[in-house]
Order: sequence, then structure tokens, then C-alpha cells
Amino acid sequence: NAGVTQTPKFQVLKTGQSMTLQCAQDMNHEYMSWYRQDPGMGLRLIHYSVGAGITDQGEVPNGYNVSRSTTEDFPLRLLSAAPSQTSVYFCATGISGAANQPQHFGDGTRLSIL
Amino acid sequence: GQQVMQIPQYQHVQEGEDFTTYCNSSTTLSNIQWYKQRPGGHPVFLIQLVKSGEVKKQKRLTFQFGEAKKNSSLHITATQTTDVGTYFCAGTAGANNLFFGTGTRLTVIP
Repeated sequence: NAGVTQTPKFQVLKTGQSMTLQCAQDMNHEYMSWYRQDPGMGLRLIHYSVGAGITDQGEVPNGYNVSRSTTEDFPLRLLSAAPSQTSVYFCATGISGAANQPQHFGDGTRLSIL
Repeated sequence: GQQVMQIPQYQHVQEGEDFTTYCNSSTTLSNIQWYKQRPGGHPVFLIQLVKSGEVKKQKRLTFQFGEAKKNSSLHITATQTTDVGTYFCAGTAGANNLFFGTGTRLTVIP
């Protein structure tokens, strides 16, 4: 089993470009989420999903969109990249449809916006 | 909004010394989780505490959840170089949002 797979691992974008960060899991977990990690600020929740077809906003959702058409996939879309979105992005999953369970993280996507 | 603060931000210890990181929430938590992130890696789940006053141990690591369920601590006895990394607490007040602390970066000097 691969667990939680994030692609790409690294990406450089120009301001204004759009892109999609992919997250796929093969553990049949209901809960999926996206975090961004910036130095000195821990991990901040962007969006989350408690199951296929359901998404909701986290702490810092502006500038990002998500969808959950299947249990396995939870892509994160940057609509118009800004330098403030330079960060490391982590996808995480939890076995049940709630956050109060152990979270399994992917390896992360390191994104730079020029 | 909910905030989870963690202190200290950095800690340098000599190998063999003890280490403690503290986590404080502005609101009462349903549970608290602890994660470890090695340099360049991703967070890895360590443990979850649910009950008021709960204490759990994993070898040299001791985790506590406060009586008011607003604070928690992680204590490592006799640190080793393998303990290097950033330790995060994360709490839930409801079911769907997990709020992470700012983390404590531990450096162990051989």
C-alpha cells in the first residue's frame, strides 16, 4: 500500500498561474484534509472533507479550491498563485469522517511562487 | 478562533538531558494529539489523549492532558540523537477541525 501519495513533490510557479496539487490515498479513509506549513506557524488547515462529495473550509481557505468526487482523491487547486502561497503543502487522511482520529500525512509538496 | 500555542519554539539539549514541550489552548479541547516531524519529513502521529488528567507513556516519552483539557505536555527522558525533530500538538474542539500548535524544534547535541 502506498498510503497517502502527493504529487508533485516540488513545483515552481509564476505569480498568477494556476495549478492543482494532487492527493491520493489507498486506505479507504473517510477524512481528508490539506494543510500548509510555514516557518514558525505550524500547520494551518486549508480545506477538509469528511467524505466523498463533502468539503468545507478550514482556517486559511482563501485562494484555494478543493473537490472530493471520490473517496481516494482530494485535489487542491490554486486559482491564481501569489507569492504568499509559497509554502509546504501536506495532505492528511483519517480513518473516520472526523478530525479527532490519528492523521496520516503524505510527504508534502514544496511550492514556490515567484 | 481557536488557538493552540506551544512553547518553547526551540530547545537545544545535551544528549541524555530531559526535554519538555508545553501546549496551551484558548478553548477546551475534545482531545489532543501529538506528532513528530523529522527534518525534511512529514508529521507522524505519536499518540492521542482524550480524558481529563490522562497520562500516557511510550518508552521514554510521557504525555499528559490537563485537568481542564486546555493544556498538554510531552516529556522526553534522557534524550537521544534519534529524538531530533519538531514536536507538534494538535487539538480538536469539535469533530472536524484539527488545530496544530506552532511546534517545538528539538536539537540534541551528542
